[in-house]
Amino acid sequence: DQQVKQNSPSLSVQEGRISILNCDYTNSMFDYFLWYKKYPAEGPTFLISISSIKDKNEDGRFTVFLNKSAKHLSLHIVPSQPGDSAVYFCAARPFGNEKLTFGTGTRLTIIP
Amino acid sequence: EADIYQTPRYLVIGTGKKITLECSQTMGHDKMYWYQQDPGMELHLIHYSYGVNSTEKGDLSSESTVSRIRTEHFPLTLESARPSHTSQYLCASRTGGGTEAFFGQGTRLTVV
Repeated sequence: DQQVKQNSPSLSVQEGRISILNCDYTNSMFDYFLWYKKYPAEGPTFLISISSIKDKNEDGRFTVFLNKSAKHLSLHIVPSQPGDSAVYFCAARPFGNEKLTFGTGTRLTIIP
Repeated sequence: EADIYQTPRYLVIGTGKKITLECSQTMGHDKMYWYQQDPGMELHLIHYSYGVNSTEKGDLSSESTVSRIRTEHFPLTLESARPSHTSQYLCASRTGGGTEAFFGQGTRLTVV
């Protein structure tokens, strides 16, 4: 039973445009959500996070939106740059729990 | 930049061999984790530790074992490697009050 789902395995976006990566979850106990970026043969790098008490968090070109009623979060990257080409993982954790549950990732390709 | 290191980066080993994957962090983080990831799949938590002398099993059953004798060191051992153990192994750490986990670069293990 996959509790964190990233239904788009891949996404291609023109350089300079907005990239939107989506993530759905089923566990209503999740209260903290994170996005990681991963290059091939590297470990994941933390990008941005959001607590369930917020619905938006912004850091530079990256913004994460959380819709708790829909159990949906999204990562917006604007403007998209070639260096953003990577696999993006959504992850979630219940309050007071060590276990971070990951989605299967979305491969983002930025087209120059 | 996170200071968490994994060695080796790549390992090809024969069936039945004993192997230890090393993970060290210089950030003084209490909590450390081992994840396993197959290509195109999500990261699965296989072991975690709250601190020295603390180890717990994660969500994914694994034949590996871990130890935490020092804060900075969290090695993973396979007593008898099998082809089914072929995967990427990712180590991570975070502070007790922190939110995001920092990942090492991973060890890609191939058992032939």
